[in-house]
Amino acid sequence: DIQMTQSPSSLSASVGDRVTITCRASDTIKKYLNWYQQKPGKAPKLLIYQTSTLQTGVPSRFSGSGSGTDFTLTISSLQPEDFATYYCQQSYGLLYSFGQGTKVEIK
Amino acid sequence: EVQLVESGGGLVQPGGSLTLSCAATGFTFSSYALQWVRQAPGKGLKYVSAISTSGDKTYYAYSVEDRFIVSRDNSKNILFLQMDSLTAEDTAVYFCARVSPTYSLDRWGQGTLVAVSS
Repeated sequence: DIQMTQSPSSLSASVGDRVTITCRASDTIKKYLNWYQQKPGKAPKLLIYQTSTLQTGVPSRFSGSGSGTDFTLTISSLQPEDFATYYCQQSYGLLYSFGQGTKVEIK
Repeated sequence: EVQLVESGGGLVQPGGSLTLSCAATGFTFSSYALQWVRQAPGKGLKYVSAISTSGDKTYYAYSVEDRFIVSRDNSKNILFLQMDSLTAEDTAVYFCARVSPTYSLDRWGQGTLVAVSS
């Protein structure tokens, strides 16, 4: 199984801050890395697929990069609606495993 | 509009069984693979199971294989998850999700809560 490790597990930031979340795979997953945003009581929402492609409707302040085993989600200027939990997910192996999540809180 | 609506959750005793359903509308159901993902209270997302477009290929997390069975009815646009021998560790919100051609989960249902307790 491919294990996904996110860091940090939580962070505090202010509106307007640049935020970076990292995700590491236990084995190469090439470009097959997705990012999701989840707000309390809601279903996850796809933000970015295959490392860097924004899902339709996702603001351009979100970006993704990386390849192989190391990946990054960046929010260039944090907005009030971005306070949520973010999950990475690999879709290279048959079992699509998730990272443990990063909770982005208001400072 | 694409919609996935789960149902069938509830309170069940340890060792019991439950079958979840996920009704799909707004897209060609038979053209998409589907997955079940669960989230224990206050915890992260965990892959549970996946099924191919025709239903001939199924996949399971190690924690549920031999206890859960995923299936689909392409004539009725419904995804199922039959869950047997349930334990407290299976308590979670269960989401169904559509697998996009780019191997991401691009549409999700709202989730249904399964609580295993005596």
